[in-house]
Amino acid sequence: GAGVSQSPSNKVTEKGKDVELRCDPISGHTALYWYRQSLGQGLEFLIYFQGNSAPDKSGLPSDRFSAERTGGSVSTLTIQRTQQEDSAVYLCASSATAGEQYFGPGTRLTVT
Amino acid sequence: GNSVTQMEGPVTLSEEAFLTINCTYTATGYPSLFWYVQYPGEGLQLLLKATKADDKGSNKGFEATYRKETTSFHLEKGSVQVSDSAVYFCALSDLCSGAGSYQLTFGKGTKLSVIP
Repeated sequence: GAGVSQSPSNKVTEKGKDVELRCDPISGHTALYWYRQSLGQGLEFLIYFQGNSAPDKSGLPSDRFSAERTGGSVSTLTIQRTQQEDSAVYLCASSATAGEQYFGPGTRLTVT
Repeated sequence: GNSVTQMEGPVTLSEEAFLTINCTYTATGYPSLFWYVQYPGEGLQLLLKATKADDKGSNKGFEATYRKETTSFHLEKGSVQVSDSAVYFCALSDLCSGAGSYQLTFGKGTKLSVIP
């Protein structure tokens, strides 16, 4: 079946602009995670959605970052007023509640 | 808080050599432990996992044993191949640490290069 998909695969933006990154999880997976992979910090957890519960936002690095998950499926990660330190690969993963997390190919964000 | 420490790379081995990548962890609860692999140009894939002490995870000739007494989960393979060249990440998931979340805490990654 189809895996986790993310779009765009690459995004170049100017400092100060807003960006939206999209994640389509595996159908039927109730849990969705966003992570960030950067050279300096490695792989970091950002945010977690589980069904209709309030998301766990404990990993978001600043209030410029936000995410939503509509209809318990597709998720969008938004970064406002992007900074150069936001340059990274943003990974989405989904799982069946406590099961194995399946990762998407990621969105490479470059802030110039 | 939770943390994972794995040996720094890069690691370069000849084909058929023995591989060990060390991983130790700190966790507040009773974590599940994982090894993920990222092949060049590809996404993260689960390689193997162990959910309780003394469990051994294995896949594709790789093995790792959950050692609670030493808080370790070292990755081993008896004979590496060129196709094993990738970045390997040790990770843990600990329900107690999050708001009902099974978020993964990753090590920094170890790049393995296998030469013919």
